[in-house]
Amino acid sequence: AQKITQTQPGMFVQEKEAVTLDCTYDTSDQSYGLFWYKQPSSGEMIFLIYQGSYDEQNATEGRYSLNFQKARKSANLVISASQLGDSAMYFCAMREAFISNFGNEKLTFGTGTRLTIIP
Amino acid sequence: AAGVIQSPRHLIKEKRETATLKCYPIPRHDTVYWYQQGPGQDPQFLISFYEKMQSDKGSIPDRFSAQQFSDYHSELNMSSLELGDSALYFCASSVETGLNEQFFGPGTRLTVL
Repeated sequence: AQKITQTQPGMFVQEKEAVTLDCTYDTSDQSYGLFWYKQPSSGEMIFLIYQGSYDEQNATEGRYSLNFQKARKSANLVISASQLGDSAMYFCAMREAFISNFGNEKLTFGTGTRLTIIP
Repeated sequence: AAGVIQSPRHLIKEKRETATLKCYPIPRHDTVYWYQQGPGQDPQFLISFYEKMQSDKGSIPDRFSAQQFSDYHSELNMSSLELGDSALYFCASSVETGLNEQFFGPGTRLTVL
């Protein structure tokens, strides 16, 4: 079963508008973390925002906020006042609780949403 | 601030050749991860190391091997390269203190001809 689902393969948004990128996840763990990464055409993976499963408040980082609805298992990324430089691929990812005695668990990624900002 | 360093950034190989990718984690990070991202795909986990021991293994082909050295840098060795190995290979590092961020390197773009 898909652990991370991003249902929007592509989105076009007018500059300065807000945009919401959808992400739903599937886990039976109580302890997990949700991440959003941005991947511009140059290829690097840029960390945007993190939400822990026990965090009571939605995470915010500048123009990025995460709309975390635990009961619905969704972790949507909201970008306010979009800019041309926001055009990129956006990945939602999840890290589940430790299943080994060593180190942290890997990230599982969704298939991504390609966001294009229109001038 | 120091970031994850990967070398080389680009690599072109012929089929059946070998390749070695290197990763230098952020200082004091004790965990290293390798991911493979094929064209138009999401990153797929290959393998991870914590304190120089393999901690988890994903969909890594038997032709690939990896290790983490005493200075915490890691190398991914790929043998008998196939066309399908052409991808962007990311290394990421983190500290073992909970469900926090993995910092990604810039990636190595491997092209197999």
